[in-house]
Amino acid sequence: EAGVTQFPSHSVIEKGQTVTLRCDPISGHDNLYWYRRVMGKEIKFLLHFVKESKQDESGMPNNRFLAERTGGTYSTLKVQPAELEDSGVYFCASSHFGPDTQYFGPGTRLTVL
Amino acid sequence: QKEVEQNSGPLSVPEGAIASLNCTYSDRGSQSFFWYRQYSGKSPELIMFIYSNGDKEDGRFTAQLNKASQYVSLLIRDSQPSDSATYLCAVTSTDKLIFGTGTRLQVFP
Repeated sequence: EAGVTQFPSHSVIEKGQTVTLRCDPISGHDNLYWYRRVMGKEIKFLLHFVKESKQDESGMPNNRFLAERTGGTYSTLKVQPAELEDSGVYFCASSHFGPDTQYFGPGTRLTVL
Repeated sequence: QKEVEQNSGPLSVPEGAIASLNCTYSDRGSQSFFWYRQYSGKSPELIMFIYSNGDKEDGRFTAQLNKASQYVSLLIRDSQPSDSATYLCAVTSTDKLIFGTGTRLQVFP
């Protein structure tokens, strides 16, 4: 069984540009989560999808971040326009039943210059 | 006060020893508790979860939970150099995981 995949693995962009991150969850997992780890800090929750619906987006930093999960399969996280403080590693995780037993993807390392 | 607190380490133990990793949490409503292992530059990998007070053993790993004290621990028996990694404690809060900053474990030969 394939695990959670994320693309790209690294992205380096300039302040003000737009970046879109993609996550493909484990097949059959209705729950998809986005997390972010900023250098030196803990991994922090961004949002949670159940199928195509946003269950909880309380962790989204501001309206420059937009997440979608059309069709309830893969998800995208767009940052527009990117700011320096958006740099970090963005993880996606999926689970079959709720928040328990989440499987993490390899992450996308975003650097905003 | 952070929601999930861990000592950042590093915790250094010799090969073959028991490594003890600790975590405290602030939300008494948390129901599920997890230990993830993260190698440098890699994704967090789930190694243990525990829901009830007491001990749960899986191979060389034992998770311990004390809800009254809001305390979770992970014991690694017969530590190996390959266990060297950052260990993340996480607890559930409604529909998401709240992570600690992790404890770096170093197992030396």
